[in-house]
Amino acid sequence: DQQVKQNSPSLSVQEGRISILNCDYTNSMFDYFLWYKKYPAEGPTFLISISSIKDKNEDGRFTVFLNKSAKHLSLHIVPSQPGDSAVYFCAASGVAGGTSYGKLTFGQGTILTVHP
Amino acid sequence: NAGVTQTPKFQVLKTGQSMTLQCAQDMNHNSMYWYRQDPGMGLRLIYYSASEGTTDKGEVPNGYNVSRLNKREFSLRLESAAPSQTSVYFCASSRIADTQYFGPGTRLTVL
Repeated sequence: DQQVKQNSPSLSVQEGRISILNCDYTNSMFDYFLWYKKYPAEGPTFLISISSIKDKNEDGRFTVFLNKSAKHLSLHIVPSQPGDSAVYFCAASGVAGGTSYGKLTFGQGTILTVHP
Repeated sequence: NAGVTQTPKFQVLKTGQSMTLQCAQDMNHNSMYWYRQDPGMGLRLIYYSASEGTTDKGEVPNGYNVSRLNKREFSLRLESAAPSQTSVYFCASSRIADTQYFGPGTRLTVL
């Protein structure tokens, strides 16, 4: 049972345009969501997070949107740069006291390619 | 600060051999984690340690054991390696139950 899903294995975008990466989850006990970026042969690097009490969080070129009713989050990168080309993972953890508290459940990842 | 370090970077084992993957963090974090990453499956939690002296199973613990040696170090042991354990292993740490920071990974091949 895949509790966190990234249904697009890959995304190709032109430099300067917006990249939108999507993630869906099924567990209503998830309340903290994160995006990680991963380059080949390196560990995942934390990018941005959002708590379930918010619907948007922004950090520079990166914005994460959370739609709790749809159990959907998205990462927007504006403007996209060639150095953004990497695998992007969304991840979720659960409420305090729950079985998934402090433990991350990851999606399968989306390969983003930004063309110059 | 080195962050999270892992040794070795690469390892090749024969079926049935044992080995220990080492992980250390210098961020004074309380919680530490071991994940494996397989193609098309994202990262899956093997074991975690919420605090020094405690360990718990994650999603895929079979075939592995862990030791939280002290606050800094968390090791993962394969007692009898199997080809199904061929994977990339990542260690991570977090202050409590918040953002996790990852090491560079260990690429393990079991023949």
